[in-house]
Amino acid sequence: EAGVAQSPRYKIIEKRQSVAFWCNPISGHATLYWYQQILGQGPKLLIQFQNNGVVDDSQLPKDRFSAERLKGVDSTLKIQPAKLEDSAVYLCASSLTPRGGEQYFGPGTRLTVT
Amino acid sequence: GNSVTQMEGPVTLSEEAFLTINCTYTATGYPSLFWYVQYPGEGLQLLLKATKADDKGSNKGFEATYRKETTSFHLEKGSVQVSDSAVYFCALSYTLNAGGTSYGKLTFGQGTILTVHP
Repeated sequence: EAGVAQSPRYKIIEKRQSVAFWCNPISGHATLYWYQQILGQGPKLLIQFQNNGVVDDSQLPKDRFSAERLKGVDSTLKIQPAKLEDSAVYLCASSLTPRGGEQYFGPGTRLTVT
Repeated sequence: GNSVTQMEGPVTLSEEAFLTINCTYTATGYPSLFWYVQYPGEGLQLLLKATKADDKGSNKGFEATYRKETTSFHLEKGSVQVSDSAVYFCALSYTLNAGGTSYGKLTFGQGTILTVHP
């Protein structure tokens, strides 16, 4: 069974530029999560989708971050414009349902904003 | 709000030593508790979980017991190996919608780096 796929693995941009990350969850997983992991900290949820609907985006900085999950499968997270403090690893995870608690994580995208 | 606190790291041990990584939580209701591990160069993966008080999760020689009275979920292993070197994260989530808290999302501690020397 293929795991959660993410691309790109690394990205370096200048502040005020825009960037997009892509995630393809495990086939059949209805729930998809985007987490932000700043160096030395645990991951923090940015947004949670159930199929193609948003369940929780309370921690998403909506003035600059956006995410979509068209057709309830893969998802894109965008940052526009980027700030220095956005430097982090962006993790995508999926689960069959949200109730089991077990989430499967992708390898992450490491973003550096200079 | 909900939070998870882990012991400060990094932790450095010799092979076959006993491991404890402390984890305490603050939450309302009855969350499920997890330990996730991140091996070098790999993504986060579930190590073990417990869904109710007094449950013991175990996997790969690691154990943790859900202690509601002390709001703790300490990770232990009797004899660590070099291959256990990784970053360990304690986390909680709700599997039922609890008073406005959306279910499913994980709240993580800050992580503990474990290095095991031969």
